[in-house]
Amino acid sequence: AQSVTQLDSHVSVSEGTPVLLRCNYSSSYSPSLFWYVQHPNKGLQLLLKYTSAATLVKGINGFEAEFKKSETSFHLTKPSAHMSDAAEYFCVVSDRGDKLSFGAGTTVTVRA
Amino acid sequence: ETGVTQTPRHLVMGMTNKKSLKCEQHLGHNAMYWYKQSAKKPLELMFVYNFKEQTENNSVPSRFSPECPNSSHLFLHLHTLQPEDSALYLCASSQDGAGGTDTQYFGPGTRLTVL
Repeated sequence: AQSVTQLDSHVSVSEGTPVLLRCNYSSSYSPSLFWYVQHPNKGLQLLLKYTSAATLVKGINGFEAEFKKSETSFHLTKPSAHMSDAAEYFCVVSDRGDKLSFGAGTTVTVRA
Repeated sequence: ETGVTQTPRHLVMGMTNKKSLKCEQHLGHNAMYWYKQSAKKPLELMFVYNFKEQTENNSVPSRFSPECPNSSHLFLHLHTLQPEDSALYLCASSQDGAGGTDTQYFGPGTRLTVL
């Protein structure tokens, strides 16, 4: 069975400061892990994915995530937040390619 | 967003109406998905189609009826819906729906309101 827990439902940061979105997963297999972003009234856009290659994964828009098997974590970070980063972020785990399990989401607000 | 398109973007319907949601993918993928996104809840997988064959029905009520005439098109037919069915319905596609590393690409969604 697979599941994912996003530890923060809401994160607020000032523009130009780092962003950290926390995600823990549970999986019976070697999982694939993804982060998606959803801007208001938009569909989900893939930020990055981990598929058992390098544990530090770089994505679009300056985001990166580190896979830590010992901690069953896949936290998303960005060194400097931009106003356009305000959105909802979803951590996703997949044991099988056709079935994704989504976290509840973390809403990010960016203060000017 | 041009990779996966969905129409209409917004839909308001009464409980006795019949309507259909349409999804089209322009990525050459072979797997397509319907998800339901309700407020304050994680995305719920509804249906999966692989090479036009339904491979997953996640205990969805029969008032939702999917149709996949070819690998590029996916429909969700709606009839006698309930107000609790109001949600954002998202379509996604992936290369072949298997392998553990397949990435799903999402459309913009249809915002459905049932009165």
